[in-house]
Parts: sequence; C-alpha cells; structure tokens
Amino acid sequence: GEDVEQSLFLSVREGDSSVINCTYTDSSSTYLYWYKQEPGAGLQLLTYIFSNMDMKQDQRLTVLLNKKDKHLSLRIADTQTGDSAIYFCAERGSSASKIIFGSGTRLSIRP
Amino acid sequence: DAGVTQSPTHLIKTRGQQVTLRCSPKSGHDTVSWYQQALGQGPQFIFQYYEEEERQRGNFPDRFSGHQFPNYSSELNVNALLLGDSALYLCASSWGQKETQYFGPGTRLLVL
Repeated sequence: GEDVEQSLFLSVREGDSSVINCTYTDSSSTYLYWYKQEPGAGLQLLTYIFSNMDMKQDQRLTVLLNKKDKHLSLRIADTQTGDSAIYFCAERGSSASKIIFGSGTRLSIRP
Repeated sequence: DAGVTQSPTHLIKTRGQQVTLRCSPKSGHDTVSWYQQALGQGPQFIFQYYEEEERQRGNFPDRFSGHQFPNYSSELNVNALLLGDSALYLCASSWGQKETQYFGPGTRLLVL
C-alpha cells in the first residue's frame, strides 16, 4: 500500500544544517514533495523532485532521493529560527491525483 | 496574484449539524483537491474536482460531498457531523489533475 514515514522531532542549533528524512513505499511515486507548515497555517510548498532525479538544490534547500531504497531527505543549510515548523514529506504516484503525506517532522531550533 | 483562499477561517458546529466550506483556487488553476488534517497528523486526501466533477476520492464516507463551480471554485459539505470530524480542512489547487498542488490556509472546524 501507500505509506510515508518520517521521524516526529528534530532539534538543531541555529546556524547548523538540518536533515529531515523520509521513507515511502509506493514504487510508482512520480513526484516527491516537501511542504512546510507553521503554527495555525496551511501548507507551503518548499520544493519537489521528480522521481528520475537524484538531487535538487534550491538556495538553502537540498533534496536527495534514493529511489532504490525509497528514501528522501531534505537538508536545510544555515538553519534559522524562522525555519521552526513542521515539515511534511509527501508523494504522488504516476496514475494518481492525490498526494500521500507523512505525519510530519517538527523542527525546533535552539540558540 | 491571489493564492488559494478559503472561508471561513474557523467554525464551531455541534454533532449532527451540516457544514459547508468554501475554496477559491489560485489564479489560473482549474483543479481543486480537499484534505482533512487531524491534530498532530498529516493531511488525508478527501477528493478532487476537475471540470466540475469528482475525479478521485479518498477513504471518506458519503457524508463528505463536494461541488465545483464553473469559475473553478469549490465547496466541501459534511453532513451529520461527528466529533471526529474536528480538524483543519485544507483546499489545494493545481493546473490539471496531476500537477503540483498549492494549499490554502485552511478552515479549522470544531465539532462539539
């Protein structure tokens, strides 16, 4: 079946890099997404990667995809207090319209 | 360029009542998807509307229904509300059924 797993919490020091990991089960996943949700807000699309890519970089964000292991990661360089949020990993299969989300990783920043 | 908008922002209902939530898609988008996000969980897909028809549905009962209008805006209706329907309801829009979805701020529904 379709499932997306993430660790629940991550704490990093301000200025360090944050790495949020995710695994998924659907081998037909076409697009893999990272969304950010701040308290009381909707979801903000951060970045996405197509399944035939290994890596995508966008300013402070780097996405790595290991399709063989069905593992996705999001690296945030120079983590700032404004990066505090819940980060959702999500996937969509080639024949599906719906997006399957993980339970989210709460990123907290310590001074 | 307006993003996805939803109304109302908050709503309180009692068990057994009915509720209607509204969504206006991002300019240029023609497809609307609805998601339910319970506290502490990721969003769960309810259904998607394209060309005024429901195109795909998640694992939600028939109490959840929707509509899409010619201007691409959409409504989500929930009948016979249960306590467990309390959640953040998110609308997402896209250009086409399988394109990247952009989310609105959500409507927080509390059922007492």
